[in-house]
Amino acid sequence: EAAVTQSPRSKVAVTGGKVTLSCHQTNNHDYMYWYRQDTGHGLRLIHYSYVADSTEKGDIPDGYKASRPSQENFSLILELASLSQTAVYFCASSDARDNNERLFFGHGTKLSVL
Amino acid sequence: SQWGEENLQALSIQEGEDVTMNCSYKTYTTVVQWYRQKSGKGPALIILIRSNEREKRSGRLRATLDTSSQSSSLSITGTLATDTAVYFCATDNSAGNKLTFGIGTRVLVRP
Repeated sequence: EAAVTQSPRSKVAVTGGKVTLSCHQTNNHDYMYWYRQDTGHGLRLIHYSYVADSTEKGDIPDGYKASRPSQENFSLILELASLSQTAVYFCASSDARDNNERLFFGHGTKLSVL
Repeated sequence: SQWGEENLQALSIQEGEDVTMNCSYKTYTTVVQWYRQKSGKGPALIILIRSNEREKRSGRLRATLDTSSQSSSLSITGTLATDTAVYFCATDNSAGNKLTFGIGTRVLVRP
């Protein structure tokens, strides 16, 4: 079974502070993604990456940066956290060779910005 | 941008009943994926249907796809309390590897 691990599981941050969410996958997948989940909005794509050392903007990238230092690791960075970034964040991976484009998700990180 | 959307937001049913939820999308997709998210967990794929298929079955799950109306449905027969979850449909934009998720349908199955 594919494994995507996120850390931390939950975090409380102060407005204006820097937050880093980490994701590690042991699936040997090329693609990794960061989604944000808010009630009433489903899952929205923030950033994604097809290969190490390269990231792409998703549908809602403003206020977020991403870093893919290796195939296994993908981080989401909030340089100046804001109240509106309170949400649950999910990391996912997928296999470039999988024609079904199936995503494997982590358990999520609940971020509260106060 | 392409998006998927469920028409029903929340359903409460008795165990053993059948349930159907719908999803409509705005632009072409090569596949519709249905994910289930249980409380405190990440979403997990439960069934997918490709644009050249009209129906797909997997156990108690049945997905349909109507490309002319750009809509898909997910049915669960003989629901169990363990089917309680939020269900999302997801579509791609034919460029692949970038899924767009709908708002989700919350299903509560009462034992």
